[in-house]
Formats: sequence, C-alpha cells, structure tokens
Amino acid sequence: NAGVTQTPKFQVLKTGQSMTLQCAQDMNHEYMSWYRQDPGMGLRLIHYSVGAGITDQGEVPNGYNVSRSTTEDFPLRLLSAAPSQTSVYFCASSHHYEQYFGPGTRLTVT
Amino acid sequence: AQSVTQLGSHVSVSEGALVLLRCNYSSSVPPYLFWYVQYPNQGLQLLLKYTTGATLVKGINGFEAEFKKSETSFHLTKPSAHMSDAAEYFCAVSDAGANNLFFGTGTRLTVIP
Repeated sequence: NAGVTQTPKFQVLKTGQSMTLQCAQDMNHEYMSWYRQDPGMGLRLIHYSVGAGITDQGEVPNGYNVSRSTTEDFPLRLLSAAPSQTSVYFCASSHHYEQYFGPGTRLTVT
Repeated sequence: AQSVTQLGSHVSVSEGALVLLRCNYSSSVPPYLFWYVQYPNQGLQLLLKYTTGATLVKGINGFEAEFKKSETSFHLTKPSAHMSDAAEYFCAVSDAGANNLFFGTGTRLTVIP
C-alpha cells in the first residue's frame, strides 16, 4: 500500500512552459485535492475532486487545471508556467475527513 | 468563511519543557479541527483531529489538543518536549462534513538541548 504518490519530486521550468504534476493514490479514496505551500502562508487549496469526473476550484485555482478520469489519479496541469507558481505542491486524498498527503513536488519557475 | 490563526511563527522550548502551540479559528458552522506536523522535506502527517464528542483529543507522539468553543481555540500541547519534536506544525479547520481544509501559516518548533 503506497498511499499517495507524487511525481516528479523536483522540477525546474522556464516561464511559459507547461507541465503536469502527477498524483496517484491506492486507498480508493473518493476525495482528492491539490495544495501549494509557500513560506509564511501555510497550505492553500488549489483544486479538489469529490470523485471521478467531478472537480471544483479551491482558494487559488488560477493558472492550474485538473481532471479526474479515475478514482486513483488526479493530475495537476500548469498550462503556462509563471514565476509566481514557484512553490511546493502537495496532493492529498481523504477518508472520513482525515487527509493523507503525498511527499510533495518542489517546482521552480525561472 | 473559515480561517485559522496560529500565534507565533517560531516557538523555542528546552528539551523536557512544556510545548504549547496556539491556534484560533473562525468558522460560521461547527468546525472540524486538525493539527498536522511536517518534518523537513516531507509531507504533512496528521497529529490529531477533533470532529465531535470529547473536546480533549489525544494524538500521536504524546500530543493533545482541547477544543474550546467559547474561546474558538484548539491549542496543541505536549507535557515534555523531545528533540524529535522539532518540526513545523499546522493547524487546520474544515466545515463539519466537508473535506476542504483551511490551514494556518504554521509554527516552527525548535527544541533546545
């Protein structure tokens, strides 16, 4: 049981490039979410999903897209990276209001 | 709307001393409250949670927290700090029955030998 996995661990992008951060969970949780963590700001919710085919915006959704075609996977897409998106990104899945976090992806946009 | 305030971005305690990390919340509906711990370069791990029932909740590693509705607080305590407790701690709130979490800005705990 791997829990929540995220790839890659580290990524450097140039401004304007696109990429997808991968997130997968093997716990059959319906709820999944993406957060970004910035110094002094805690974690902020980007997008979330309550089940396959259903997604919604969180607190800071601009510049990010998500989709949920399966229960297991919840990728986060950056269509045109900006330096303001330099951050650490965490994916989480939830069961009975307890969230299980992945190890994170550290993204730098130059 | 929900929000969380963590007083003190940095807290230092001596090994063996009491740990007290403060958290106040704002919520228009009954809240669910959580404390998470983050060790360097790792994800977040749940320490404890309050949903309903007993207002004093015990978590892992000897931590506990008390939900005080009248004070809108959920402070985290541990009677005796250990070097391994050095980490960043986050308080979070959600609406009862909801999964979306709103986090505080975190408190970095340093334990002095």
